[in-house]
Amino acid sequence: SQQGEEDPQALSIQEGENATMNCSYKTSINNLQWYRQNSGRGLVHLILIRSNEREKHSGRLRVTLDTSKKSSSLLITASRAADTASYFCATTPNSGYSTLTFGKGTMLLVSP
Amino acid sequence: DAGVTQSPTHLIKTRGQQVTLRCSPKSGHDTVSWYQQALGQGPQFIFQYYEEEERQRGNFPDRFSGHQYPNYSSELNVNALLLGDSALYLCASSFGGRPNYGYTFGSGTRLTVV
Repeated sequence: SQQGEEDPQALSIQEGENATMNCSYKTSINNLQWYRQNSGRGLVHLILIRSNEREKHSGRLRVTLDTSKKSSSLLITASRAADTASYFCATTPNSGYSTLTFGKGTMLLVSP
Repeated sequence: DAGVTQSPTHLIKTRGQQVTLRCSPKSGHDTVSWYQQALGQGPQFIFQYYEEEERQRGNFPDRFSGHQYPNYSSELNVNALLLGDSALYLCASSFGGRPNYGYTFGSGTRLTVV
């Protein structure tokens, strides 16, 4: 079953604009990860934030985590056409093995 | 350094048949996980293999089985295929049981059941 939901389901912006995607989850987590998927192919790991972290940056990516609200957001600054893809958040549980539970994803379209 | 390799890339099977998908993990990784991704959905966890044993399993029927070899490569077998098994099957590799880093995914095998 899916862990939670990404919001919005789809997002269309112009190059240069910022894109923000949100993710909610249901259970206690060890960490939360964001992945990108181009055209229904393999997933590419973007960034991981641990449950004791609140914010993390990687290049044009900024991720926040609010464990009290069980939510996370991914901000992509100065978007490019090449950022067009589906973005998924995935969580690993607080106990047991680190299997990933994914949301349904946000489809981002960046127009030139 | 090769990433995760999956084969074949595409496959068409008939209902009731059996299929085997293959995965070679990233060099240095010893754990392989399999995911099923239906169209328009997020990936769903099928099972994870470590030290040639199924370590954890998601909510999938026994028709889904797997194997891990001593070189850490893995196979996913699906018996008695149903139309609903049509999906993208993704293999992900990692090292150890609780990595604090992201998984490496293969490009997937697109299975179509007709």
